[in-house]
Order: sequence, then C-alpha cells, then structure tokens
Amino acid sequence: DARVTQTPRHKVTEMGQEVTMRCQPILGHNTVFWYRQTMMQGLELLAYFRNRAPLDDSGMPKDRFSAEMPDATLATLKIQPSEPRDSAVYFCASGLTPDGRGSYNEQFFGPGTRLTVL
Amino acid sequence: GQQLNQSPQSMFIQEGEDVSMNCTSSSIFNTWLWYKQDPGEGPVLLIALYKAGELTSNGRLTAQFGITRKDSFLNISASIPSDVGIYFCAGYTGANSKLTFGKGITLSVRP
Repeated sequence: DARVTQTPRHKVTEMGQEVTMRCQPILGHNTVFWYRQTMMQGLELLAYFRNRAPLDDSGMPKDRFSAEMPDATLATLKIQPSEPRDSAVYFCASGLTPDGRGSYNEQFFGPGTRLTVL
Repeated sequence: GQQLNQSPQSMFIQEGEDVSMNCTSSSIFNTWLWYKQDPGEGPVLLIALYKAGELTSNGRLTAQFGITRKDSFLNISASIPSDVGIYFCAGYTGANSKLTFGKGITLSVRP
C-alpha cells in the first residue's frame, strides 16, 4: 500500500557533523512537508513544497538547515553543522492538493527519523 | 498565531469505556483533522472534517466539526488496548494556511 518512507529511521551523530534525511512521498502527491517533533514544542512545521517548489521554509533555522526536492520522488532535509539542540524526530508528510485550492489537503506522515546529536 | 488547545495532557480509561477528547481554538478553522500516533511511528490520519456541524465516523471513532468552527471533538467507543497512543487534533484556518497541530492527548487503556 502507498506510504511515505523515510531514511534513516535512526541517526546518532556528533555535534558539527552533517546530517541528511531523506523522504519518498506517496506517488502522485504534490505537496511535501517537513516537521520536527520534540516533547517541549510538539510538532513544528519546518518547510513545505508544492509541485517541488519550496513554498515556505520560515520554520527552519536557515543558517544550518536546508530542504530540497531534487525530483518528485525524493525530498531531503540537511543539517550542517548539527547541534545537540537539533535532537528530535523529523517527520516527512505528503499530500495531494488540487491546484488552486490552497492547503486543504490531508497529510500522510512517514515513520520519522529519530536524530540524536551528541 | 493560531493555537489548538487539547487537554488534559493524559487520559486513563478502562478497557471497554468510551472516551471523548476536545480540541478548541480562539480562531475559526475550515478543516479539522484527527491523528493518532503510536510509539516510534508517525501520526496516522483518523478522520478529516470539512464542514461545520459535520459528524463523521471511522469504525469505533466518531468526530464532529463544531458549529462555531472553533472546536472539534473525537469520541472513541468501547476502547480496546490498541487504542493507546497520542491523539492530535489539527486544522487549517483557510486557503494557503499551514496545518496547525494541538499538543496531543496521551491515552492509556487499562485491560
């Protein structure tokens, strides 16, 4: 069945290292979202794309985070350099928005990447 | 900004009991979504609501879009142990708005 996949599922790294997280959205979905989940803040939207174009990345610390969609089947979230405060679970979600209807869509989440920065 | 309020943070019920969860906001929402998150997994969409007053069921789950458009509730009937998890409400305030999430309610079901 169609699911959002994310790799890796777990990542432990040292402060200062580069981290790349990957997401394969559900085939045919035209919107992709990156979220971060922590106990303190809950689910926070970092960035999202529609038809591969970045629409909003205001939730991301831009000095160290970057998000891209090299093609319709792959979204990446990169942190360089990583810091301990980046430790969290990062979720990718995808959805299908009929063009012109804005963001009225149901988002389907992947299993997440649990990142630990030591 | 828009906030969705869910309380209490945790609920403890006995297997077989019904449970109801509320989600409220000071802002008007045009779409309400309810998600459940199991440990180590991503949130899974349970029910989506698009019209004020709408009542939608998914098995033992029923959710309603409040007529004021500022609240929604989720009801689980005849709870079972696999209902444990975190239940999030989420919503859109309008076209091109971002999906706003509540902080979630952790449900525990005693056998």
